[in-house]
Amino acid sequence: LAKTTQPISMDSYEGQEVNITCSHNNIATNDYITWYQQFPSQGPRFIIQGYKTKVTNEVASLFIPADRKSSTLSLPRVSLSDTAVYYCLVGPGNTNAGKSTFGDGTTLTVKP
Amino acid sequence: GAVVSQHPSWVICKSGTSVKIECRSLDFQATTMFWYRQFPKQSLMLMATSNEGSKATYEQGVEKDKFLINHASLTLSTLTVTSAHPEDSSFYICSARETSGAEPQYFGPGTRLTVL
Repeated sequence: LAKTTQPISMDSYEGQEVNITCSHNNIATNDYITWYQQFPSQGPRFIIQGYKTKVTNEVASLFIPADRKSSTLSLPRVSLSDTAVYYCLVGPGNTNAGKSTFGDGTTLTVKP
Repeated sequence: GAVVSQHPSWVICKSGTSVKIECRSLDFQATTMFWYRQFPKQSLMLMATSNEGSKATYEQGVEKDKFLINHASLTLSTLTVTSAHPEDSSFYICSARETSGAEPQYFGPGTRLTVL
């Protein structure tokens, strides 16, 4: 299983771009990288998933270098409502190919 | 799309009773469902992996006779906490993965269990 390492916490201000990096040095060939957002007393919410290079959707971008040993979640122009815990999850893409393990997550605090 | 529901959202029970939590994938079929528990200010801890039509695979340290998991269909998995005790009080969260392709896990809203 790929172990992930993220900063414990980050602070930002409204309107800024936030980049959260996750290290996953022993990522396997068939592993995908998925990011989730979690608010207190709620289940994690899917943000974005990627395998390599760059992925962008309506809420975030995910940058993955060629060696895939790390990934960076980019949140453009954050607002107060983006204050949450963000988890990077690395695991196999095939449904029955195994499991993923959550790391400790990054607590993002957005200030006015 | 990709909505997962859980029921109940919260439950309070007396010590020694059993509690069943349902997890449903509402708009997709899930061959695999996962059950997690989360203590305050901690990360999610995987308890077991549930595959439709077969026995669940439990993580080390999780008692399979205490946490009964049934995945009877492609849209429903249940977790039963048997003979619950106060130390079982936690936030239980399920997730589901679509049958085919490299789909991510989609999580339910969680169930808060309080054992008195």
